[in-house]
Amino acid sequence: QVQLQESGPGLVKPSQTLSLTCTVSGGSISSGGYYWSWIRQHPGKGLEWIGYIYYSGSTYYNPSLKSRVTISVDTSKNQFSLKLSSVTAADTAVYYCARGVEWLGYFDYWGQGTLVTVSS
Amino acid sequence: QSALTQPASVSGSPGQSITISCTGTSSDVGSYNLVSWYQQHPGKAPKLMIYEVSKRPSGVSNRFSGSKSGNTASLTISGLQAEDEADYYCCSYAGSVVFGGGTKLTVL
Repeated sequence: QVQLQESGPGLVKPSQTLSLTCTVSGGSISSGGYYWSWIRQHPGKGLEWIGYIYYSGSTYYNPSLKSRVTISVDTSKNQFSLKLSSVTAADTAVYYCARGVEWLGYFDYWGQGTLVTVSS
Repeated sequence: QSALTQPASVSGSPGQSITISCTGTSSDVGSYNLVSWYQQHPGKAPKLMIYEVSKRPSGVSNRFSGSKSGNTASLTISGLQAEDEADYYCCSYAGSVVFGGGTKLTVL
């Protein structure tokens, strides 16, 4: 059973960089066949795809966030990470990591989500 | 990319059937049969209910079914049960990923 777990600071100051890590267990990121993804949900709102990374390091980002987003992978730790720069209050959200199936684009496993609040 | 369009809310009585629509464009929903649906209970992570328009993951009730016509996909829940009350999101994949705005299902 694949499990994903987000970790990182729950509070980030405006203009700083939000950094989160997703640790994958029960399966190897290096095995291929999947896109490792970040998705967020603003309080009381819908889901917003941030981007994904393939085990090789290839990335694809939401065009609306692309200038501020970096997703990286550490296959030795079976982790992938999100960095979102120059954050504002509008970036306050629950951030989920999820496993997306390659070429088919659906997300079959999700982390529990972590709330990140942007505030001074 | 714009969010896919879903009704904000739908409701139905136990035992009834409801359908949630998800409208996109020829560049997303209409381009490939890569529409998925997620159920989200309050405070919980989304759960995959339907993928590739109409396929059900193992463990998902056959009361849940999906379809697509042109640029509109649909999720139908038959034999409504109290535990079906949740938010539902559609999602389209065409290289990039776009979600619908979500639909709140109320079981009366």
